[in-house]
Amino acid sequence: EVHLVESGGGLVQPGGSLRLSCAASGFSFSIYGMHWVRQVPGEGLEWVSFIGPAGDTHYSGSVKGRFIISRENAKKSLYLQMNSLRAGDTAVYYCVRDINGDAMDVWGQGTTVTVSS
Amino acid sequence: DIQMTQSPSTLSASVGDRVTITCRASQSISRYLAWYQQKPGKAPNLLIYKASSLESGVPSRFSGSGSGTEFTLTISSLQPDDFATYYCQQYNTYSREYTFGQGTKLEIK
Repeated sequence: EVHLVESGGGLVQPGGSLRLSCAASGFSFSIYGMHWVRQVPGEGLEWVSFIGPAGDTHYSGSVKGRFIISRENAKKSLYLQMNSLRAGDTAVYYCVRDINGDAMDVWGQGTTVTVSS
Repeated sequence: DIQMTQSPSTLSASVGDRVTITCRASQSISRYLAWYQQKPGKAPNLLIYKASSLESGVPSRFSGSGSGTEFTLTISSLQPDDFATYYCQQYNTYSREYTFGQGTKLEIK
């Protein structure tokens, strides 16, 4: 069965850093593009970042220059290094599989990031 | 940036009703549109991709249509399990730009 499990969320002060991880199982991780999508509780979905199978990376304007997406295919893992965190980054962060650019077909359960002093 | 606008924001309906949710793009996105269903406390679930392709395992009462700037998600006969929030999403695989609509909450009348 295909699974994505996020970890690494927590409480961090403004200006701090956090690294999210996503463990994939049940599929050939290396051939899929992967996304991070976030959601402020009670609000809508916001795309954060994408990494292609070849390692090409893309970011939303709201996180570009502060967040870094990466992957380690041998460990079937996806990461999101979040730096210079702001209160507005507070959200549930989902790890999501991309189906060849057509849509996002598998979602993790999410990990919560809270940026507060 | 491409903006996605859903209407209505909230929809009240009864079991058995036929409902339609509209999503409009600020510029043409061809058929690069997906629809997701999200229930409280859960991750979104893919329903439709490429505007009208039904994801495997999704009931056939869900259908999508449209192209260019206007798209619709139709549920032919509402079931109790369908009351949830629905999001459209455009995807541009060339610029790697992805935008969600603001969501439509489908409530029980």
